[in-house]
Amino acid sequence: GENVEQHPSTLSVQEGDSAVIKCTYSDSASNYFPWYKQELGKRPQLIIDIRSNVGEKKDQRIAVTLNKTAKHFSLHITETQPEDSAVYFCAASRGSGYSTLTFGKGTMLLVSP
Amino acid sequence: EAGVVQSPRYKIIEKKQPVAFWCNPISGHNTLYWYLQNLGQGPELLIRYENEEAVDDSQLPKDRFSAERLKGVDSTLKIQPAELGDSAVYLCASSSLVGNEQFFGPGTRLTVL
Repeated sequence: GENVEQHPSTLSVQEGDSAVIKCTYSDSASNYFPWYKQELGKRPQLIIDIRSNVGEKKDQRIAVTLNKTAKHFSLHITETQPEDSAVYFCAASRGSGYSTLTFGKGTMLLVSP
Repeated sequence: EAGVVQSPRYKIIEKKQPVAFWCNPISGHNTLYWYLQNLGQGPELLIRYENEEAVDDSQLPKDRFSAERLKGVDSTLKIQPAELGDSAVYLCASSSLVGNEQFFGPGTRLTVL
């Protein structure tokens, strides 16, 4: 089955800095890669996703890049704000509407004012 | 649009007792997922339903866990008997047939004493 590794486990930045979280996956058939944000005690919420037919996707301060050859993808947050503090999970799946997501173990991002 | 609803939000029981969790997915979402989330970890799939059919229950510990999704809408996850190691957050999610985005409920935090 799929295995997703996520690094780092914790990341501390100053407000305004950029943050990068990296994930690798093992199943070459995976073609859907979402990122979820989970604030303390709350539900995971999708913040951005990418499919394997594109290499990069941006949404305001958030971007995701995908390297299919190397089987890794990354989340980039620019101009970080204290409200970005949360746990971020990457995931991978084969991308059909029925498929199972395999999640990484998460990265706790702390943005200090 | 109402989100995924779960109840109860919190449950404390003694070991060897039974416990049940309920999930109501987003209206029109045919695919329903139950995940287990341990502290500091990403969600791990327990079971996935497509309508009434359990299509992936390979990670469900069937000796003590059971689930049902009667009429292809609401779902119940049961543990009997509960063990100390079952303490975790149980998340329900749903998705439509045509998309990959999974919408999560708030979860049920189970504590087994």
